[in-house]
Amino acid sequence: EDKVVQSPLSLVVHEGDTVTLNCSYEVTNFRSLLWYKQEKKAPTFLFMLTSSGIEKKSGRLSSILDKKELFSILNITATQTGDSAIYLCAVEANNAGNMLTFGGGTRLMVKP
Amino acid sequence: DVKVTQSSRYLVKRTGEKVFLECVQDMDHENMFWYRQDPGLGLRLIYFSYDVKMKEKGDIPEGYSVSREKKERFSLILESASTNQTSMYLCASTSPPGQSDYEQYFGPGTRLTVT
Repeated sequence: EDKVVQSPLSLVVHEGDTVTLNCSYEVTNFRSLLWYKQEKKAPTFLFMLTSSGIEKKSGRLSSILDKKELFSILNITATQTGDSAIYLCAVEANNAGNMLTFGGGTRLMVKP
Repeated sequence: DVKVTQSSRYLVKRTGEKVFLECVQDMDHENMFWYRQDPGLGLRLIYFSYDVKMKEKGDIPEGYSVSREKKERFSLILESASTNQTSMYLCASTSPPGQSDYEQYFGPGTRLTVT
C-alpha cells in the first residue's frame, strides 16, 4: 500500500526563521512528488519533483527530492506570517489516472 | 480566471438522501479526481477518471459513485448519505503527466454536512 508520511505534524516559528518540512514515501511505480500549500481553501500547487538532486526554487521556497532515500524536503527561508498554512506532500504513481497519495500535512504557524 | 468549479460551497443533507456533487473544469484536462479531506487524514482519493465514461476506484470508494459523461464534468454521487460522509470534498483536474507544462488544479471544495 502506498504511503506518504510528513513531519513534523505542526511547527511554530517566528518571522524571519527558516523552516524545513519533511516528506517520506513508499510508493509502487513512482512518477512524481508534489508539494501543496493549503490555507482556508483548496490546496495551491507549489512544486512537482521527478528527478533526484535537482532543486526547484520559487522565491523563498525551495524543494528537493531524494529518490534513493525516498524523501523530499520543502524549505522556506525568511518566513512571513503569510506562510502560515498546512503544507501537503503527495506522491503520484505511474498508473492509469496517475493516482495521488497524500500525506497528513504539516501545519506551519509563523508568528510576527 | 476560473479553472475548476464545484456546484456548491456548502451543503446540508439528511441521512439517506441522494447527493450530487458536480465538478467542472475549463482546461480540457483528461484526468479528473474526487477527494475528501478530513482533519488529521490529509486528502483521500475517492474516485478518478482519465477519460469520458472511464472511472477508477480510489482508496475509499465505498458509499460513492461517479459519472463522467462529458470531458469537462465529473460528478460525485452519494447514493444514500450517511453521517460519516460529512466532510470537505475536493475536485481536481490535471493535464497529461510527464510533460514539462504539467499542471494540476483543485476546485474550491464543497463542505458537506449530513445530519
